[in-house]
Amino acid sequence: AQSVTQPDIHITVSEGASLELRCNYSYGATPYLFWYVQSPGQGLQLLLKYFSGDTLVQGIKGFEAEFKRSQSSFNLRKPSVHWSDAAEYFCAVGAYSGAGSYQLTFGKGTKLSVIP
Amino acid sequence: GAGVSQSPRYKVTKRGQDVALRCDPISGHVSLYWYRQALGQGPEFLTYFNYEAQQDKSGLPNDRFSAERPEGSISTLTIQRTEQRDSAMYRCASSLELAGPIGNEQFFGPGTRLTVL
Repeated sequence: AQSVTQPDIHITVSEGASLELRCNYSYGATPYLFWYVQSPGQGLQLLLKYFSGDTLVQGIKGFEAEFKRSQSSFNLRKPSVHWSDAAEYFCAVGAYSGAGSYQLTFGKGTKLSVIP
Repeated sequence: GAGVSQSPRYKVTKRGQDVALRCDPISGHVSLYWYRQALGQGPEFLTYFNYEAQQDKSGLPNDRFSAERPEGSISTLTIQRTEQRDSAMYRCASSLELAGPIGNEQFFGPGTRLTVL
């Protein structure tokens, strides 16, 4: 079965600093990978996704992520963080279960705090 | 257009009561998913529908949990004889295409926060 690990529960960065949120996945075949952001009182919003092709994926709000098969990683990056980026970020892997249905499996999330 | 909506946004109930949580997907979206998110955790898959057909309910914790989507649009997740351990955020998502990765962006609702006393 697939799984996702987000090693950092909480990260604090200064506004304007660069950001990298880590994500490691476990899945036997080619994974479909996603990053979602959850702001307080809001639903999860898709930031970006990787299905195939170029391993560097651009998303909304200036985020990007790089798929590294050799490291089973899909880390999220942003060159300069804004105060409005403070939120919780979830990495997810989409895969077919043993029953043949497609499911998203999420990590536990990383909470990002931004210091003005 | 409107996004995925869920009601109620907050539900407090006493142990042993039944609750029904509603999800109104984006109009025209074929697939609908239910997730449960405990505090400090990511969403966990419960079940999903393609149109009105429930395709996979392997994530439902036990037989107190059930879901339906009778007309292929609005869905209801019902929890019977609630227990304190059922307290969580229940999230619904919908996607335009049939469940599968290609083109299958899931749009999430704001969730229903269920508290069982």
